[in-house]
Amino acid sequence: NAGVTQTPKFQVLKTGQSMTLQCAQDMNHEYMSWYRQDPGMGLRLIHYSVGAGITDQGEVPNGYNVSRSTTEDFPLRLLSAAPSQTSVYFCASTDTGLFYNEQFFGPGTRLTVL
Amino acid sequence: AQSVTQLGSHVSVSEGALVLLRCNYSSSVPPYLFWYVQYPNQGLQLLLKYTTGATLVKGINGFEAEFKKSETSFHLTKPSAHMSDAAEYFCAVSEKGSARQLTFGSGTQLTVLP
Repeated sequence: NAGVTQTPKFQVLKTGQSMTLQCAQDMNHEYMSWYRQDPGMGLRLIHYSVGAGITDQGEVPNGYNVSRSTTEDFPLRLLSAAPSQTSVYFCASTDTGLFYNEQFFGPGTRLTVL
Repeated sequence: AQSVTQLGSHVSVSEGALVLLRCNYSSSVPPYLFWYVQYPNQGLQLLLKYTTGATLVKGINGFEAEFKKSETSFHLTKPSAHMSDAAEYFCAVSEKGSARQLTFGSGTQLTVLP
């Protein structure tokens, strides 16, 4: 199992550009989520999904779009990048069974917006 | 709404000394509680979690934490610090019955001095 994979690892954008951060998991997890990590602020939830075709907003959704067409993939789209979106982005997944299990995190994507 | 407070953004201990990282939470009902560790340029790894049952939970690498409902705390301890423990540590909570959303504290950077 590869676990949770994220691409790219690093990205530099200019203000106004768009891009998609990719996230995939091979553990057949229903729940997937995106967080951003900023110094001194921990991780904040951007969007999450409880299954294919179902997405919802987290704490900081503005400027980001998501979709979930398959169980495995959960891409995060920046429609018009802004310097405030410079951050490290983490994708995570877990199952949604009766008992709460561990969330598995990807290695992260470091994004710089100039 | 839930919130997590980690006292001390930076903690330094000598190798072999006790590690104590503090975490307090605010929640209308006792939540699920977690400690994650992040090594430089890596994703997050679960150290331990409290969901139900025994309030003293043991995790990986010799860490443990105790859930104290009356103090709304979940402090992380390790009797003897090792150089390899140097990392950033995050406390997180999730409401029981929720769709797995995590609310993170701002993190504590642990430095281990030789």
